[in-house]
Amino acid sequence: DVKVTQSSRYLVKRTGEKVFLECVQDMDHENMFWYRQDPGLGLRLIYFSYDVKMKEKGDIPEGYSVSREKKERFSLILESASTNQTSMYLCASRQLAAGELFFGEGSRLTVL
Amino acid sequence: RKEVEQDPGPFNVPEGATVAFNCTYSNSASQSFFWYRQDCRKEPKLLMSVYSSGNEDGRFTAQLNRASQYISLLIRDSKLSDSATYLCVVKDMGRRALTFGSGTRLQVQP
Repeated sequence: DVKVTQSSRYLVKRTGEKVFLECVQDMDHENMFWYRQDPGLGLRLIYFSYDVKMKEKGDIPEGYSVSREKKERFSLILESASTNQTSMYLCASRQLAAGELFFGEGSRLTVL
Repeated sequence: RKEVEQDPGPFNVPEGATVAFNCTYSNSASQSFFWYRQDCRKEPKLLMSVYSSGNEDGRFTAQLNRASQYISLLIRDSKLSDSATYLCVVKDMGRRALTFGSGTRLQVQP
C-alpha cells in the first residue's frame, strides 16, 4: 500500500515562529502536493512539485515556501507563522498526471 | 465564482435510501473528474473516477454531463458506513494539480 507520512499530527506555534511540515511518501511518486483544508473552503492548493527541486505555486502560496531535495520528501515551510495560517495541512502524492492522489493523515496547525 | 461548487449539505437520509449529489465546475476545458470520500478527521480517499459514459461501482453510480458542466454521484441502498463528506474533484487540461470542491456531507441515520 502507498504510504504518505506527515511528521506531525498536531502542532501549536506562536505568531512569528518558523514552522516546518514534513511529508514523506514511499512509492517513488513523481508528483507531490501541499493543500490546506478549512471549513467551508475545502482543499486549497498551496504548492506542488513534479520532480526533485521543481516546484510550482498553487492557488494560495503567499506566506509559504516548499523544499523538495529528495524525491520522497516534500516540506512545507511557514517562514513567519500567522494566526490566519491555523488550518489542517494535507500532503499528497501521485505517480501519473491523471493518477489517484494519495493523502497523508494531515497536520493540524494552530498558530496563537 | 468557485471553480468547483457543491451543496455542503448535510444530507440526512435513512438507511436504505437513495441519495444523489451534484457538483458543478466552471472550466469547460476540465478533462478528468473524480469523487473522493473523506471520513470525519481523516484524509480524503479516492472513491471513483467519473467517465464520460457514466460508470458504476456497486451501489455507487457517477455521471458526467459536459454540456451542463456538472457531475453527479448516486448512492443506492445507503449504509451507516456511507456517512462521510464527498468531495468533487476536477482536473483541468494543462494543469497538473486537482481542484477540490468543498464537499457534501452525508449522514445516514439508522
